[in-house]
Amino acid sequence: AQTVTQSQPEMSVQEAETVTLSCTYDTSESDYYLFWYKQPPSRQMILVIRQEAYKQQNATENRFSVNFQKAAKSFSLKISDSQLGDAAMYFCAYRRLRGGSQGNLIFGKGTKLSVKP
Amino acid sequence: DGGITQSPKYLFRKEGQNVTLSCEQNLNHDAMYWYRQDPGQGLRLIYYSQIVNDFQKGDIAEGYSVSREKKESFPLTVTSAQKNPTAFYLCASSPARASSYNEQFFGPGTRLTVL
Repeated sequence: AQTVTQSQPEMSVQEAETVTLSCTYDTSESDYYLFWYKQPPSRQMILVIRQEAYKQQNATENRFSVNFQKAAKSFSLKISDSQLGDAAMYFCAYRRLRGGSQGNLIFGKGTKLSVKP
Repeated sequence: DGGITQSPKYLFRKEGQNVTLSCEQNLNHDAMYWYRQDPGQGLRLIYYSQIVNDFQKGDIAEGYSVSREKKESFPLTVTSAQKNPTAFYLCASSPARASSYNEQFFGPGTRLTVL
C-alpha cells in the first residue's frame, strides 16, 4: 500500500522569504499523480499544485513550485515571496493511476505553515 | 456557481444517536468521497463512490454508512457504532476516470461533536 510522509509538523517563514515543505512517498507503481493541498483556517481544502509522475519537468504555479525527484520518491513544495495569506496547513497527496481505487487520494499528515510579518 | 455544499456546518449529537451529514455537488462529477480529519492525522478516507448506486469502503468505514441514489448527492450517516465520532468531516468529488487529473474538489466541511 502507498504511504505519504510529511516529516515537518510545523514550519515558519518570514514574510517575503522562501520556504520548502517536504514530502516523501512510498509506492511500487511507476505512474501516478502527486498533489499539494492548502487548508487555511477556514478549513476549505484548496488545490495548490499537481504533478504527473511521467513528466520530468517540475510543475510551477505562480509563487508555488515543486521539486519532484521520482527516484528518491520525494515531492517538496517551494513557496517563494511568502505572504501572510499563505499561512495554512499543507497536505501532500498521492493518487494512483490505475486499479479499482485509482481516484482515491492518500494524504500525508500535514505541515502547519506560519508566516511572520 | 458550481461547487460542493455540505450541511450543516456544525452538528451536535448525543451518544447513541445516528446522524446524517449532507453532501451535494453540482459539478456533474461521477466520483464522490467522504473523509474524516482529526488533529495530527491528516485526512482519512471513510467511503467513496465512483458511480451512482455503487460505493466502496475506505480505510475507516466501521461505524459509518452511505448511499448514492443520485449523482449529485452522497450523504454520510454516522451511526451509534462509531466509537469516537467527534471530528471534522470533508466531502469531495472528482470527474470521471477518463479525465487527466481527477483532482478532487472539496466541500467546506462539517464539524461533528458528540455531547
